[in-house]
Amino acid sequence: KQEVTQIPAALSVPEGENLVLNCSFTDSAIYNLQWFRQDPGKGLTSLLLIQSSQREQTSGRLNASLDKSSGRSTLYIAASQPGDSATYLCAVENTGGFKTIFGAGTRLFVKA
Amino acid sequence: DTEVTQTPKHLVMGMTNKKSLKCEQHMGHRAMYWYKQKAKKPPELMFVYSYEKLSINESVPSRFSPECPNSSLLNLHLHALQPEDSALYLCASSQVGAKPGNTIYFGEGSWLTVV
Repeated sequence: KQEVTQIPAALSVPEGENLVLNCSFTDSAIYNLQWFRQDPGKGLTSLLLIQSSQREQTSGRLNASLDKSSGRSTLYIAASQPGDSATYLCAVENTGGFKTIFGAGTRLFVKA
Repeated sequence: DTEVTQTPKHLVMGMTNKKSLKCEQHMGHRAMYWYKQKAKKPPELMFVYSYEKLSINESVPSRFSPECPNSSLLNLHLHALQPEDSALYLCASSQVGAKPGNTIYFGEGSWLTVV
């Protein structure tokens, strides 16, 4: 059974700092890994999707990497801003289709 | 248009009521999902529809009844719910068959409170 773990559970950093969020998964038979952002009381916004054959994806100040063999992904946020404060969730879609399993998320707070 | 629209945003219902949550997307996606999310917990998959047919039911109690009347709409019918069913219900959609690059798009969710 696929399990997704995110470390740390919470993180508080000063504005401008670069930071790394970690995600690990137990079953490497995945189609893709996706990073989402969730603001309090809101839905999920997709940030980056890495296909199983890819190693990384970049969008603006965000860079996500995937090491499928070791079951790890990182989300790198450069030059953090207060507007980045949110919960970041990683999710893996298993082969076999449709079942996307989420980690518990990392709650990020960027202090101005 | 990369939007999934959910209504209502908030719903309060008694344990004997019957209500429905609605979800709509116009991205041409043929896979649609219902997730349940409790406070400070990750979303948990409830149901998946593929080409308007129920593909996955994650052992959800029968008091939750999904319906996919067409390729753009997804409903979740609620009846005889319990207070512990209070949660954020998220609808999502994605393409089918274009794996492994299927981005999942989520709606803003419907906050359900059962009293």
